[in-house]
Amino acid sequence: EAQVTQNPRYLITVTGKKLTVTCSQNMNHEYMSWYRQDPGLGLRQIYYSMNVEVTDKGDVPEGYKVSRKEKRNFPLILESPSPNQTSLYFCASSLRRGGRTDTQYFGPGTRLTVL
Amino acid sequence: DAKTTQPTSMDCAEGRAANLPCNHSTISGNEYVYWYRQIHSQGPQYIIHGLKNNETNEMASLIITEDRKSSTLILPHATLRDTAVYYCIAHIIQGAQKLVFGQGTRLTINP
Repeated sequence: EAQVTQNPRYLITVTGKKLTVTCSQNMNHEYMSWYRQDPGLGLRQIYYSMNVEVTDKGDVPEGYKVSRKEKRNFPLILESPSPNQTSLYFCASSLRRGGRTDTQYFGPGTRLTVL
Repeated sequence: DAKTTQPTSMDCAEGRAANLPCNHSTISGNEYVYWYRQIHSQGPQYIIHGLKNNETNEMASLIITEDRKSSTLILPHATLRDTAVYYCIAHIIQGAQKLVFGQGTRLTINP
């Protein structure tokens, strides 16, 4: 089944403890992206990647890192999490054809709480 | 991406057609109209998209006005499982590919 998977789905952690949220897609998509969703603010893009080894900042990149060493994986890294990073996180992916990005498909989400 | 305006909430009876409007009066010629929905706190689910012509798939129909300033998403026979927040997005499919989600319409399907 074509899908975007995220792990973990739920995580409670403490301030300053490094964590990684994994994202994997099995659709051979070039484009991958991370969003966070907060009440009243909607979904905001954190980072995106057009292809392997190509990443760029979105609207709210502060406090986050990403890497794209393989096409299927796009992990989100919080080196020193803070309470303001408590949020619902979504990974998305899509094909790119002729310089255009096709429909984006989203993972199930990771609910992160930083105490 | 152009700003879109949607009603905050709507109700529809189960089995009836749900018609969700969206205004995008500043849409540019190369922006597509995309519709996604989010059921509770699940990942947004793609529904349909279009540029100028009306579109239909197994989930819904999309009607875009001739001037492209507004559109309507139609769920032909709404079920309780269609209760969700529906987002209308005007989106250029080149560049950063960021989808700009507004507040959407909270659609409630009533039995």
